[in-house]
Amino acid sequence: EAEVAQSPRYKITEKSQAVAFWCDPISGHATLYWYRQILGQGPELLVQFQDESVVDDSQLPKDRFSAERLKGVDSTLKIQPAELGDSAMYLCASSLGDASSGYNEQFFGPGTRLTVL
Amino acid sequence: LAKTTQPISMDSYEGQEVNITCSHNNIATNDYITWYQQFPSQGPRFIIQGYKTKVTNEVASLFIPADRKSSTLSLPRVSLSDTAVYYCLVGDRGFQKLVFGTGTRLLVSP
Repeated sequence: EAEVAQSPRYKITEKSQAVAFWCDPISGHATLYWYRQILGQGPELLVQFQDESVVDDSQLPKDRFSAERLKGVDSTLKIQPAELGDSAMYLCASSLGDASSGYNEQFFGPGTRLTVL
Repeated sequence: LAKTTQPISMDSYEGQEVNITCSHNNIATNDYITWYQQFPSQGPRFIIQGYKTKVTNEVASLFIPADRKSSTLSLPRVSLSDTAVYYCLVGDRGFQKLVFGTGTRLLVSP
């Protein structure tokens, strides 16, 4: 069964350092999402891509976060500089993106757990 | 997107049926109700979706009354492996954007 791949699974960094997370969606999925999940809370959408274009980044802290999906396939989420409050699980999800055919189920990867010291 | 309210936590024992209710008083005509399950240290995964009455799959059943202002996820004969957080979400069927609440933490004990 196809899965969303993410790396690294765990990342420990010091504040003010730069970190990057990588996501490889399920093949053929046009829509890619990055979520942040703080312990004890539900995931919060950071950015949504349709192919290589950003369609929603309203919750992305753009002063320190950036995301790209240059070829419309895999994606990278970067934080620079990292702050203590960025400690969280960062989840990537993908979907076919074709809502006309029915429910647009999102498939989530295992996440990257970030700890900022 | 319609706001949902669900219990913060529930406890059960192996073999019991668990029913988790979600309130969505402001659900729109075009909205569907979808449930996701999340195990510790994993991403959420889709369980079931419905619009009205009853939907059943190999994992769960979803009961939706006629007014659609609430819904109930039913897990038959739970096992320890059903311990997870369950999220109720409401939105149009395309559901391009998921808005998660805090979910219901289900703990199944022996």
